[in-house]
Amino acid sequence: DAGVTQSPTHLIKTRGQHVTLRCSPISGHKSVSWYQQVLGQGPQFIFQYYEKEERGRGNFPDRFSARQFPNYSSELNVNALLLGDSALYLCASSRGLDTASGNTIYFGEGSWLTVV
Amino acid sequence: DQQVKQNSPSLSVQEGRISILNCDYTNSMFDYFLWYKKYPAEGPTFLISISSIKDKNEDGRFTVFLNKSAKHLSLHIVPSQPGDSAVYFCAAQNPGAGSYQLTFGKGTKLSVIP
Repeated sequence: DAGVTQSPTHLIKTRGQHVTLRCSPISGHKSVSWYQQVLGQGPQFIFQYYEKEERGRGNFPDRFSARQFPNYSSELNVNALLLGDSALYLCASSRGLDTASGNTIYFGEGSWLTVV
Repeated sequence: DQQVKQNSPSLSVQEGRISILNCDYTNSMFDYFLWYKKYPAEGPTFLISISSIKDKNEDGRFTVFLNKSAKHLSLHIVPSQPGDSAVYFCAAQNPGAGSYQLTFGKGTKLSVIP
């Protein structure tokens, strides 16, 4: 089975532009989360979706939005890009919500976004 | 306000010896803890987890210890191997917050010297 797949792997955008990042979860996984990792920091939670509904939102501005599609894939959108949005964006999937019941959270390899 | 802290940015250990990575947390509502390993240019890989109702969980060479009263957990790797060289992230979860988001520490870079 394929793991969590993300696209694109690398991209460069200009300040003020918009970006869309895509994620396909592991087959059978219904929960998708997005994290931002800047250099030297741990991943920071942005959104979680489960069964196409938003189940959590981190401390990010409204420029960040996401959605989950009927096939459980997901998109992360960022508008009006700032230099500080340069980071690795990670997508994670799990079968269900309750990690303590053994629903391990698996991460993709990430999308490297550079804003110039 | 960092709720999960990994105070050692780096650690060097000789091959075959024990590696001990530490993690402290401040939010008493966290009830599930995970360790992830990350190689450059790859996503984090799940290693081991522990529920707050336990104080130890073991999986092969990896053991995680949880001290709830001290709000401290540690990951022991025995014996350490060169392939263990990576950045290790401690993460915590508070399901009572309504979502199952993970709160990560900043990571500890482990170097295992052959």
